[in-house]
Amino acid sequence: NAGVMQNPRHLVRRRGQEARLRCSPMKGHSHVYWYRQLPEEGLKFMVYLQKENIIDESGMPKERFSAEFPKEGPSILRIQQVVRGDSAAYFCASSLDSPGTYNEQFFGPGTRLTVL
Amino acid sequence: RKEVEQDPGPFNVPEGATVAFNCTYSNSASQSFFWYRQDCRKEPKLLMSVYSSGNEDGRFTAQLNRASQYISLLIRDSKLSDSATYLCVVNNDYKLSFGAGTTVTVRA
Repeated sequence: NAGVMQNPRHLVRRRGQEARLRCSPMKGHSHVYWYRQLPEEGLKFMVYLQKENIIDESGMPKERFSAEFPKEGPSILRIQQVVRGDSAAYFCASSLDSPGTYNEQFFGPGTRLTVL
Repeated sequence: RKEVEQDPGPFNVPEGATVAFNCTYSNSASQSFFWYRQDCRKEPKLLMSVYSSGNEDGRFTAQLNRASQYISLLIRDSKLSDSATYLCVVNNDYKLSFGAGTTVTVRA
C-alpha cells in the first residue's frame, strides 16, 4: 500500500510565478490536510479538505493561496505570485476516517519550495 | 504564546544513556497528544500517542499531565538510530499543532 505521495519533491520558482503542489492520499483515504514548515519552526496547519469540499481553511493566508481536492485526481495547493517568504516545506497528510481523537494522519515526503 | 513549546535542545548523549525532555501546550481543551519523529526535516512519523495514564512502547515512555498541560518523553538505552528531532504534537479536532522540535543526538 503506497503511502502519501507528493510531487514535485523540490520546486524552484522566481518571485511572481505560480507554484502548484500535488498530493495523492493513501489508498482509501478521503481526508487531506496541508501543513507548512518554515525554517527553524514547527509545522503549521493550513487547510483540511475532503473530496470536493474545503472543510477548514483557517490556516491559509487570505491572499494568493488556494487548495482543492477534486473528485478525481490529487489534491492541489496553489500559490500565486510567490514571494520569498513562501519558501518552506509543504507537507500533505491524509487520514482514513473522519478526524477523531486518535485518528492518525499519515504524512507525505513534502515539497520543498524555494523562491528566488 | 505558542500553542506548543518545546526545549529545542540539542541533547547530546552517549549510546545507552537515558534522555528525557518535555513540552507544554496552551489550549486546555486539547483532546489528544502525540510524539512524532522527524529526520533531517523529512516527513514527520508518528512515534507514539500519549495517554493520560502514561504509556510505554519499548524503550520509549510518554507521560501526560493535563493539569499542568505538560507532556514528556523518555528514551531509555539510547541507540544511534534514535538521533532525530522529536516533535510534540497536540490535536484539536483535526488540527495538529506541532512544537518546533527537540533535537537528540546519540553518539557512539
